[in-house]
Amino acid sequence: GENVEQHPSTLSVQEGDSAVIKCTYSDSASNYFPWYKQELGKGPQLIIDIRSNVGEKKDQRIAVTLNKTAKHFSLHITETQPEDSAVYFCAAVYGGSQGNLIFGKGTKLSVKP
Amino acid sequence: DGGITQSPKYLFRKEGQNVTLSCEQNLNHDAMYWYRQDPGQGLRLIYYSQIVNDFQKGDIAEGYSVSREKKESFPLTVTSAQKNPTAFYLCASSINGPQHFGDGTRLSIL
Repeated sequence: GENVEQHPSTLSVQEGDSAVIKCTYSDSASNYFPWYKQELGKGPQLIIDIRSNVGEKKDQRIAVTLNKTAKHFSLHITETQPEDSAVYFCAAVYGGSQGNLIFGKGTKLSVKP
Repeated sequence: DGGITQSPKYLFRKEGQNVTLSCEQNLNHDAMYWYRQDPGQGLRLIYYSQIVNDFQKGDIAEGYSVSREKKESFPLTVTSAQKNPTAFYLCASSINGPQHFGDGTRLSIL
């Protein structure tokens, strides 16, 4: 079946450092890749997404890169702050539908002051 | 404010009991989804609905049921057939784009 692998499962960085989370997907037809941030006891919140017709997208301290040939995409957070601490999920659309997503298992990011 | 509202925030189920989780959205989204989240498992799709009066099974539908009588509402029933219902349940909606999530219902066994 379709699958999204996410690494690492936990990541600890010092405040001000960069953090990188990587995902690979199996469905070559996937064309939409969102990233979500989930804080404790809350639902996931969309932080950035990318479509397959671009290779990189940036929004302030957050960027996402996509390599369709290798079927992997990454989230980059620069100048990390303690409030960036959360669980981050990558996802990829599958089955040709814009809305049906398959999620990675998440990365718990801890930013130490 | 527009958004997705899940209730209750916490729910307890007794042996042999069915319980229903509520999900309401005022975003005018066509599609709605139910996910189950377990520690270390990410989000797994239970059921989804693309339009009113239609819904499809996801990856882990056994022991669950849904209805979609109104565009705004997509309730999930956890039946007594679901032997391991303890989890965090998330509802989402979308319209030709990213899914937006509610803040979840945590279900536990008494």
